Amino acid sequence: NAGVTQTPKFQVLKTGQSMTLQCAQDMNHEYMSWYRQDPGMGLRLIHYSVGAGITDQGEVPNGYNVSRSTTEDFPLRLLSAAPSQTSVYFCASSYGSKGQPQHFGDGTRLSIL
Amino acid sequence: SQQGEEDPQALSIQEGKNATMNCSYKTSINNLQWYRQNSGRGLVHLILIRSNEREKHSGRLRVTLDTSKKSSSLLITASRAADTASYFCATDAKAYKLSFGAGTTVTVRA
Repeated sequence: NAGVTQTPKFQVLKTGQSMTLQCAQDMNHEYMSWYRQDPGMGLRLIHYSVGAGITDQGEVPNGYNVSRSTTEDFPLRLLSAAPSQTSVYFCASSYGSKGQPQHFGDGTRLSIL
Repeated sequence: SQQGEEDPQALSIQEGKNATMNCSYKTSINNLQWYRQNSGRGLVHLILIRSNEREKHSGRLRVTLDTSKKSSSLLITASRAADTASYFCATDAKAYKLSFGAGTTVTVRA
């Protein structure tokens, strides 16, 4: 059972480039979410999804786009990378969004030059 | 803004001793969760405590919740080197949106 898988693990981009961070889970979880982790600030919610075809914004959605075409996959797209988006990105999933433990991937470390 | 805030920011303890860290939050919650993060890894769920519960145990972990003070504590008893990690509390004050604190970094010394 792989759990939550994130790819790539590391990425360096130039300002203005776009890219997609991949997230896949094999636990048939309805709820999936993306966070960014910056030093001293904990995790901040970017976008989340309560099921296939349903997404919504979190605390810091600007500059990011998501879609959820299947239960398993929840990719995060950076539209035009900026140095302020240098961070560690985590994907998480759970059976539901209320009162359920989140299962996290090991993160994607992204640097924007 | 962050809903939960952990205290202290960092904690260094001797192996075998107990470690206690606290979490304070601002608004009413349905439940509070504690997570551990080892260096370079994702977060791992430790314990979930609901707003109508006051204390919960899991192995060497003990979590308390005081909704009147809007605070929670995590106690790790008989600490081990493997407990060296960052610990985060997370609250669900808003539906579908889990809010994390900045974490407590725990170092267990031999």
